[in-house]
Amino acid sequence: DAGITQSPRHKVTETGTPVTLRCHQTENHRYMYWYRQDPGHGLRLIHYSYGVKDTDKGEVSDGYSVSRSKTEDFLLTLESATSSQTSVYFCAISEGGRSYGYTFGSGTRLTVV
Amino acid sequence: AQTVTQSQPEMSVQEAETVTLSCTYDTSESDYYLFWYKQPPSRQMILVIRQEAYKQQNATENRFSVNFQKAAKSFSLKISDSQLGDAAMYFCAYRGGSEKLVFGKGMKLTVNP
Repeated sequence: DAGITQSPRHKVTETGTPVTLRCHQTENHRYMYWYRQDPGHGLRLIHYSYGVKDTDKGEVSDGYSVSRSKTEDFLLTLESATSSQTSVYFCAISEGGRSYGYTFGSGTRLTVV
Repeated sequence: AQTVTQSQPEMSVQEAETVTLSCTYDTSESDYYLFWYKQPPSRQMILVIRQEAYKQQNATENRFSVNFQKAAKSFSLKISDSQLGDAAMYFCAYRGGSEKLVFGKGMKLTVNP
């Protein structure tokens, strides 16, 4: 077990409300990532972090923000949830160095109604 | 930007038979890593196998092996002696110098008893 947890596991929210998803790691890895998974699209990168307070955008970052105030926590916020943000969200961690893949959390299924 | 293409959205195989999943990628980098991830219905992302581009020898992990053709930018996964537990979504992924993992759209593998 790589020591990465996501919360909540499931969430239903209303359009227009803010939502925050949490990713917590106990591995002290430098890199943390948020992906969304949608049928026919695979996994697409939303945002990632390469250190405390160091973050950057991925390919589908519009409507999302992130924060990393501690090594172990990476938060993803949907400022004002829309139905197009209904998806499964995965957090991943990596030690860095190109020989390694990622270790993934169990995912959060978010439904925006 | 790097891209990963999995052209077959679905495949099926008989139990105990061999199946090959295809993946192609596009990159201008010479040093990179390629991965196959498995996602069973539990939603967990599981690393199956990885290949380092500078190694000519194809990676193997028990019943899983790859056919890495660097010049052709092809990275196929062969599953031998297929088992019911191999039924899952399979994702091909690329990681170069950016520390970001780029995924293909995935392929659903069905194993028939």
